[in-house]
Formats: sequence, structure tokens, C-alpha cells
Amino acid sequence: QQQVKQSPQSLIVQKGGIPIINCAYENTAFDYFPWYQQFPGKGPALLIAIRPDVSEKKEGRFTISFNKSAKQFSLHIMDSQPGDSATYFCAASMDNAGNMLTFGGGTRLMVKP
Amino acid sequence: DVKVTQSSRYLVKRTGEKVFLECVQDMDHENMFWYRQDPGLGLRLIYFSYDVKMKEKGDIPEGYSVSREKKERFSLILESASTNQTSMYLCASARPLSYSNQPQHFGDGTRLSIL
Repeated sequence: QQQVKQSPQSLIVQKGGIPIINCAYENTAFDYFPWYQQFPGKGPALLIAIRPDVSEKKEGRFTISFNKSAKQFSLHIMDSQPGDSATYFCAASMDNAGNMLTFGGGTRLMVKP
Repeated sequence: DVKVTQSSRYLVKRTGEKVFLECVQDMDHENMFWYRQDPGLGLRLIYFSYDVKMKEKGDIPEGYSVSREKKERFSLILESASTNQTSMYLCASARPLSYSNQPQHFGDGTRLSIL
């Protein structure tokens, strides 16, 4: 049973579009929500992260929106580029669980030129 | 720069074999992790270690064991490989919680096939 549910599993957008990836969690003890980006043949790398005391965080073209009451968070990629084509994972952790992360199932994003 | 190195990119073994996957990090991180990655299931934690000779079970430890004799090295052991252990295995390391939330740094993975 996945504690973090991620959708969609795959996504295709045109260059310049705004792909949105959604995640939902059940455990209200989660208090740290990172997103990881994985290119083919590589391990995942931290992209951006948010804590529940803020509703939105932006880093460059990447934005996390967080809805604590709905227990949902999402990743938006503004002005998407073919180089953003990758698999994206949301994750969640609890401070008192050290650095243990619970990952969503992943979203394979393709940005067409 | 941060570096997590997994000893093999591809590995083919037979059922019943004892399989060792090795991971080395050069960042003096206390925490190390082993995950398996399967399509649609994301990354699932097998074991993690927060210090030399210390280990904790993750979500799917059955059929696996680990060894951490040195701080920089974390080994995953498949005691008797089975076909359902065919997967991508990822190793990661991170600084401990006392440094505030720290990203996990991943190796590039070992794709293991059990025939």
C-alpha cells in the first residue's frame, strides 16, 4: 500500500506547456515534501522541496503547490522544455524518522519540441 | 562534488545465487539507503543504515540483508536470488537529521536480472 499516491503515471506536453504532477498522502505526520528528477540511466536528484508551513515554493521554472487540508501537493513546470523530459518522483518524510523518504510511483514526462 | 558509486551498472545472476551489490560514497555521510525501483511503484526502501554496523529494515526487507563495516560502504546482499528480485537497485546517502532535512544523493543504479 503506497502512502504517497502520484498521478499521472505518464504525461506528454508540447514545448512551452505547463505539465502538472499531483501527489496525495495519508499520513498527517509527514512534514517534508521533496520532488526528485531522474534522467534515463541516472539516479534521482533533488529538484525542489517544501514544508507544510508554506503553500507555494518556486525555484526557477519549477513550482510546488501545497494544500495541507487536502493532503495534496503538486509540481508545476513553467515553460517546459525538451530537456525537462524525465521521470519525476514526489516523496514525503517525517522529521522524527530521520531521512527516510516515502516515494510516489513516479511520472514519466515527455516534452515534445 | 557529491559522489555515490555503485559497483555494477548491469548484473545477471541465476536463481539461488548469493548476490552482492556494493555502494560507496565519498561525502562522509552517516546515513545510507538501499532502494529498489520498479515501474509504477516508485522507489521502495529495502534497508537503511545510520552508522557503521547499524541497520534498520525498510518497507521490503524480505529476501535481503545488508552490511556496513565502513562508513563509506554499504552492501546489499540477496541471500538466495529469485526471479522476483529482478529490478533496478539504487543506493543513496545523506547527512543525518541533525543537519536539518538533507537531500539524499543517489548512485546511478544497478540493473539486476535474475534468470
